[in-house]
Amino acid sequence: EAGVVQSPRYKIIEKKQPVAFWCNPISGHNTLYWYLQNLGQGPELLIRYENEEAVDDSQLPKDRFSAERLKGVDSTLKIQPAELGDSAVYLCASSPRVTGELFFGEGSRLTVL
Amino acid sequence: TQLLEQSPQFLSIQEGENLTVYCNSSSVFSSLQWYRQEPGEGPVLLVTVVTGGEVKKLKRLTFQFGDARKDSSLHITAAQPGDTGLYLCAGGGSGGSNYKLTFGKGTLLTVNP
Repeated sequence: EAGVVQSPRYKIIEKKQPVAFWCNPISGHNTLYWYLQNLGQGPELLIRYENEEAVDDSQLPKDRFSAERLKGVDSTLKIQPAELGDSAVYLCASSPRVTGELFFGEGSRLTVL
Repeated sequence: TQLLEQSPQFLSIQEGENLTVYCNSSSVFSSLQWYRQEPGEGPVLLVTVVTGGEVKKLKRLTFQFGDARKDSSLHITAAQPGDTGLYLCAGGGSGGSNYKLTFGKGTLLTVNP
């Protein structure tokens, strides 16, 4: 069974440029998460989806970040415009149920110059 | 906001030594998960504990959930270089649509051969 797939793995952009990350969760997993992880830190939740509904986006900086999960499968996370402080790893995870195990992708490492 | 504090933040030991890492909070959690993350990868679930006082063993790893479900420990016996990684605990909050999984900042373990 394929795991959570994320792309791109690495992205280097200049500040004020836009960037988008894509996530394909494990088939059948209704819950999808986007996390931000700074070096040496634990993941911090940005947004959680139940199917196509964003049920927890309280930590998403909505002035520059947006996310969507059309048709309740794939998801994209966008940053526009990117700032230097956005440099981090963006992790996508999916779960078969809200309180279940999280299956993480390998992450997308963003460097903003 | 439920916070999880992990200690120590960094731990470097020799192969064959035993170690214990801790995950503490002032909040009660409905469940607690332990993940291990290797460089360039996403976290991978090791265990989930749900009952106060619960002890689970996974080969050389022993996990314990505190009686009051506010803390947990991970003990590794005879550590091996393959145990190297970032160990993250994650506490599950109330259920339903309000469910939240909060990660600690992790313990970075290095096992030297």
